[in-house]
Amino acid sequence: QKEVEQDPGPLSVPEGAIVSLNCTYSNSAFQYFMWYRQYSRKGPELLMYTYSSGNKEDGRFTAQVDKSSKYISLFIRDSQPSDSATYLCAMKKGLTGGGNKLTFGTGTQLKVEL
Amino acid sequence: DTGVSQDPRHKITKRGQNVTFRCDPISEHNRLYWYRQTLGQGPEFLTYFQNEAQLEKSRLLSDRFSAERPKGSFSTLEIQRTEQGDSAMYLCASSSQGKGAGELFFGEGSRLTVL
Repeated sequence: QKEVEQDPGPLSVPEGAIVSLNCTYSNSAFQYFMWYRQYSRKGPELLMYTYSSGNKEDGRFTAQVDKSSKYISLFIRDSQPSDSATYLCAMKKGLTGGGNKLTFGTGTQLKVEL
Repeated sequence: DTGVSQDPRHKITKRGQNVTFRCDPISEHNRLYWYRQTLGQGPEFLTYFQNEAQLEKSRLLSDRFSAERPKGSFSTLEIQRTEQGDSAMYLCASSSQGKGAGELFFGEGSRLTVL
């Protein structure tokens, strides 16, 4: 079993829809949680970075972490065709464990259609 | 633009040949990471440096792989005697050690195709 599980999709939604992307994890040592966006044949781009449980909002993006359930989510409001990409969740242990080594999910491919 | 720079962007080689990739991190970042990403998968950690010291290596990094960061600035990743299973995107990332230490900034990647 992988430490981080993510549905690979593809997920197709109409423009303007609210998108919900999720990951589950098994290792309770993970303390920091990130979402990256990756366009085809490009490197991952950091979208959201959160510590521990709670919500964080940035524009149309909201990241949610529930450590008790080992479940994280990314919500995209008013989705646009330019949001079409692969979304990767990533997480790491505390500062004293493993440096900044990230464990990634497989990524969810999102397509926002006109 | 002062982001992470990788070279070459794409390398095609024959099985058994050696290849080398270069990464130039964001200038003020002292931590540098190498990841490997295959099609349909998330990036997998290979190794990381703090300044010139290589602090951790993954079991994925076989004896044919070697990474260096001689002056604590740019880094090279060499793969000797390439195999078809080495075909992947090799991603470099950098981060600072202080505030924002957990935020990794990735380059565009170097795509390796082994024929």
